[in-house]
This record gives sequence, C-alpha cells and structure tokens, in this order.
Amino acid sequence: KQEVTQIPAALSVPEGENLVLNCSFTDSAIYNLQWFRQDPGKGLTSLLLIQSSQREQTSGRLNASLDKSSGRSTLYIAASQPGDSATYLCAPLSNFGNEKLTFGTGTRLTIIP
Amino acid sequence: NAGVTQTPKFQVLKTGQSMTLQCAQDMNHEYMSWYRQDPGMGLRLIHYSVGAGITDQGEVPNGYNVSRSTTEDFPLRLLSAAPSQTSVYFCASSYRDRETDTQYFGPGTRLTVL
Repeated sequence: KQEVTQIPAALSVPEGENLVLNCSFTDSAIYNLQWFRQDPGKGLTSLLLIQSSQREQTSGRLNASLDKSSGRSTLYIAASQPGDSATYLCAPLSNFGNEKLTFGTGTRLTIIP
Repeated sequence: NAGVTQTPKFQVLKTGQSMTLQCAQDMNHEYMSWYRQDPGMGLRLIHYSVGAGITDQGEVPNGYNVSRSTTEDFPLRLLSAAPSQTSVYFCASSYRDRETDTQYFGPGTRLTVL
C-alpha cells in the first residue's frame, strides 16, 4: 500500500526567500506524481505533474523534482510571495492494482510579508 | 468551461438521513472520482469511474453508492448518514492518459452529520 509523507507539516518563511517542500512515498511503481495547492476552504489546484520518466518540471517560480528510485519528490519555490501561502499536497499515481492518487497530509506554508 | 462543479457547498444532515452529492464536469473527461478529506488523514478515495456505466470502489467505500449514467455526471449517494461521514467531499476528473493526466478538482462539499 502506497504511503506518502510530507515534511514539514507547517513552514513559515519571510517573503522573498527560496524554500523547499519535501514529499516521500513508499512504492516506486507510479505513473506520475502531482503537486497540488489548496487554499483554506477551497478545492485543490494542480501545480505540476512529473511523469515517471522525468526528473523535473518547472512552471514559473515553481520547480518540482522526482527521484522515483528513492521515493522522493521536492517542490522548490523561488522568491516566495504572500500569495504563495497555502497548503501544498503531493500525490503519486500508482500503476499497480487499483490505480489511484495517494495524498500526503500536506505542508501548510505561510509567507510572512 | 465551468470545470468541475459540486453541489451543495454545505449540508447538515441528521443521523440516518440520505442525500446525494452532485458532481458534474464539462471537459469530456473519462475518469471521475470522489474523495473525502479529514483533518490529519489527507484525501482518501471513496469511489471512482473510468467511463459511463463503469464504477469501482476506492479505499473507503462503505456507506456510499455511486453511478455513472453519463460522461458528465458522477453523483455520490449517502444511504444512511452517520457522524463518521462528517467530512469535506471532493470530486475530481481527468482524461485516462495515465502518464500525463492532470486531475481537476471541484470546490468541495462540506458535510456535517449530527
């Protein structure tokens, strides 16, 4: 059974800093891994999707990396802004058995102006 | 496109009542799914569908029913609500290309069972 861990659970940093969010997963048999953003009381918005054959994906100030063999992914946010404050969730899509996304419990990020 | 829509946004039920949470998407996605989100537990898959007429159970299906009569709609039925079903429910959809699919989520339904 896939298990996903995100560390830290919460993070506060001053505006303008670069930061890294971590995600680890136990089963490397995945199609892809997605990073999502969730604002309080809202649904999830997909930020980046990394295919199993890829090492990283970039979108604007966001860069996600994937090391499937070690079961790790990181989300790098450059030049953080107060609008980046949200909960960030990672979710690998398993390619074995019941194909489904398994979510971590997320990292709650607060950017201090 | 409206994307993925869910109704209602909020609902309060009494134990034993039944109700249907509605989900619709206008992106012609084959794959649709329902998740529940509880504090400290992440999102967990309830049921999913890979196309009209095809549904299957996820991780926590007990107490819920689904059907998929059209590509656009995927309602979730609570047969006899229990306090343990108090949660936030999210519907999601995507195409079936496993390598590249992005999942699109609805805004959620916050359900309280008294």
